[in-house]
Amino acid sequence: GAVVSQHPSWVICKSGTSVKIECRSLDFQATTMFWYRQFPKQSLMLMATSNEGSKATYEQGVEKDKFLINHASLTLSTLTVTSAHPEDSSFYICSARGDSGDADTQYFGPGTRLTVL
Amino acid sequence: GQNIDQPTEMTATEGAIVQINCTYQTSGFNGLFWYQQHAGEAPTFLSYNVLDGLEEKGRFSSFLSRSKGYSYLLLKELQMKDSASYLCAVMDSNYQLIWGAGTKLIIKP
Repeated sequence: GAVVSQHPSWVICKSGTSVKIECRSLDFQATTMFWYRQFPKQSLMLMATSNEGSKATYEQGVEKDKFLINHASLTLSTLTVTSAHPEDSSFYICSARGDSGDADTQYFGPGTRLTVL
Repeated sequence: GQNIDQPTEMTATEGAIVQINCTYQTSGFNGLFWYQQHAGEAPTFLSYNVLDGLEEKGRFSSFLSRSKGYSYLLLKELQMKDSASYLCAVMDSNYQLIWGAGTKLIIKP
């Protein structure tokens, strides 16, 4: 089946630093990748949608200059949290949608737990 | 390895009851989630089970048996709007989410 990985699994950083999270589709080409954040026992909140080779589309209320998304290839998207603050601490989950099979199917990554001190 | 199994697709009739099963094998267990996802939308949280038993929330109930590595989501009084994909996810010992492939539920009038 389709596998999506994220790296790192968890990260602790100091306030003011930047953190990069990678999302990879391991055995399929992901034309579209999605970035979510999730607070405990809450729904996934879509942050942005990225298509390979084009600029990401951000959801309302998500700062594009703070959450930089790069979808440089069909198997890799990165989310960089710039100048992280404690309120950015959350569980970040990516998902990928391929260009074959059921176009509505998203494959989810295991998530990255970010803690900002 | 770690894996989550759930049926790919199910069909049910409006007004009826449907049970979506999920079995899992993971390294450790820190809870099981059920999400509902309509096409083109973000998944919405339905339930979280960490202890054995049944959790009821309106028309939706979720059951967990940790010894059997098994959960089900029960939907009662089905409505057309319940047509969606239902995702089962388990949080392992590293607090990573292991996702099932999702069950596409089709409701017929």
